[in-house]
Parts: sequence; C-alpha cells; structure tokens
Amino acid sequence: SQQGEEDPQALSIQEGENATMNCSYKTSINNLQWYRQNSGRGLVHLILIRSNEREKHSGRLRVTLDTSKKSSSLLITASRAADTASYFCATALRGDSWGKLQFGAGTQVVVTP
Amino acid sequence: DGGITQSPKYLFRKEGQNVTLSCEQNLNHDAMYWYRQDPGQGLRLIYYSQIVNDFQKGDIAEGYSVSREKKESFPLTVTSAQKNPTAFYLCASTIERGTTDTQYFGPGTRLTVL
Repeated sequence: SQQGEEDPQALSIQEGENATMNCSYKTSINNLQWYRQNSGRGLVHLILIRSNEREKHSGRLRVTLDTSKKSSSLLITASRAADTASYFCATALRGDSWGKLQFGAGTQVVVTP
Repeated sequence: DGGITQSPKYLFRKEGQNVTLSCEQNLNHDAMYWYRQDPGQGLRLIYYSQIVNDFQKGDIAEGYSVSREKKESFPLTVTSAQKNPTAFYLCASTIERGTTDTQYFGPGTRLTVL
C-alpha cells in the first residue's frame, strides 16, 4: 500500500475560499513534500518540510507537519481558478539513501470562478 | 532553458512491441527516476539511477528496462513483457545522489497500447 494517503480525494471550492487537504503516512520520514499536477502535465514541486519542522509558508501555501500523528496538511489561502489541479504529498523515508519518494494518490481540487 | 524533456508526448504501441521513452535533462543532476501514473492514482517508481552506468529497480520494474550511459539521459524501454503498459510515464531528476530533496519532473509521455 502507499505510504502517503491524501484526504479528501476531491475538493470543490469557489474562488477566494481556502482549500485544505491532508496527508497521512505510516513510517518515519526524513521529509515530506507537496507537488501540484495540472491535468496531463508533469508534477511541480510546491514545498518541502523536514521532519524537525512543524510549519512552513510559501506565498499562499501553508504546510504543517505533525510527526506524532504522522500527518501533514496543505492549506491554500484565497484560492484562484489557476489553483485547479491535483495535489500530491510525497514522503522521503528515514534512512533511505537512494533519494526515493513515495507518493499518495492525490487530492483533486477544482476552484470555480 | 534548463529542464527535463520527454519525448514523444503521445505514443501508441501495438501489443507485442517494445517501445522506448526518452528522458533528457540539462540540469546537471546526478539522480534520475522513472514513474508510472495510472488514472486517479499516485506515482509508482519503476527504476532510478544515482550515477552513470548504475540503476536500481523500483517498486514495479517488471516488464521495463533502462540504461544510463550518459548523465543527461535515462531512457525507459517498455517491453512486451509488461502486461498492462497503457499509462502516463513521468521522468524526474534530483540535484545530488543520495538525497531526498526536490524532484524536478518532465512533462510526461502518455503511452497507449492498441
């Protein structure tokens, strides 16, 4: 089974609203990353949070990490139609020296004008 | 422009044929990765390479093969042994081998078996 599981699977909001999605994982991690994928395109890296960090911001993005609960959340504030995409969390397992990431199934976000 | 290129964008294959997907990067990255994505699912790792002339199997390597003869190139061959090859294939790279930092992705190749 996949290391990361996103919740919800799909999210529909209106422009200006905030979007929150969650990621849970099973084993100890080195870091957790969030990526965005527009339909039919490659993934774009959004933000990386290390296991010793609790919160990180980048523009309208806010990521939290709770290693005791093995979970992370991604908040997109003041969403725009251009934020419509699938969002994936990816975990880098502790002790992995090969640089591998394990991806969840993603949250599909639709932002309507 | 620096980045990762994948070609072709769309590929159609008849059953029983081998096909090779191209992945080239001019980022001078050490490590490269191949993933498979099926509809509504996340990415699954096929093969990865940390250095020229060396590569490792990922979670779903059966029916696939790779080579890494040059640092900038990591082609993936989908063989006739792959039972269900229709999928979206993504290539990625990272700056330094042995690190779990940001991966940079190409635009992908959509393979359809007719």
